[in-house]
Amino acid sequence: GENVEQHPSTLSVQEGDSAVIKCTYSDSASNYFPWYKQELGKRPQLIIDIRSNVGEKKDQRIAVTLNKTAKHFSLHITETQPEDSAVYFCAAFFTGGGNKLTFGTGTQLKVEL
Amino acid sequence: DVKVTQSSRYLVKRTGEKVFLECVQDMDHENMFWYRQDPGLGLRLIYFSYDVKMKEKGDIPEGYSVSREKKERFSLILESASTNQTSMYLCASSQQQGAAEKLFFGSGTQLSVL
Repeated sequence: GENVEQHPSTLSVQEGDSAVIKCTYSDSASNYFPWYKQELGKRPQLIIDIRSNVGEKKDQRIAVTLNKTAKHFSLHITETQPEDSAVYFCAAFFTGGGNKLTFGTGTQLKVEL
Repeated sequence: DVKVTQSSRYLVKRTGEKVFLECVQDMDHENMFWYRQDPGLGLRLIYFSYDVKMKEKGDIPEGYSVSREKKERFSLILESASTNQTSMYLCASSQQQGAAEKLFFGSGTQLSVL
């Protein structure tokens, strides 16, 4: 079935450093790859997404890259700040067997002062 | 702003009880979803619906059923609750039928089955 693998499960960086989270997906027909951020005790919220016709997308300090050939995509956060501390989920939209969004297992990012 | 409301923030139920989790969205969205969130397992899709009275199984539908009698309301039903259904349940909605687009999540229901 459809599968999204996410690494690492935990990531600790110093404030101001960059953070990178990587995901791979199984279905080559997937065409939409969002990233959600979930702060402690809060609901997941979309922070950035990319579609399969684009290789990279940026929004201020965050960027996402997509390699369709290798079936992997990554989230990059530059100049990390304490408020970036959260759980981040990648996801892939699978078009076979009923269009649905499958999530990765999450990355707990901690930005230390 | 889209509002997705889940009826309970915390629920405690006994093994074998029938449990209803309710979700309402106020933006006339076509699609609604139920996920469960467990540490280390991420968000796993239980059921989803792209239209009134329509439902599709997600990745882990066993032990659950759903009901969508009205467009704005999507209910998750645990016919006979078991301890392994203790989890955080998240409802979500999105606008266009079957489209790949942003999900709006509710604040979640933490269910404990004793």
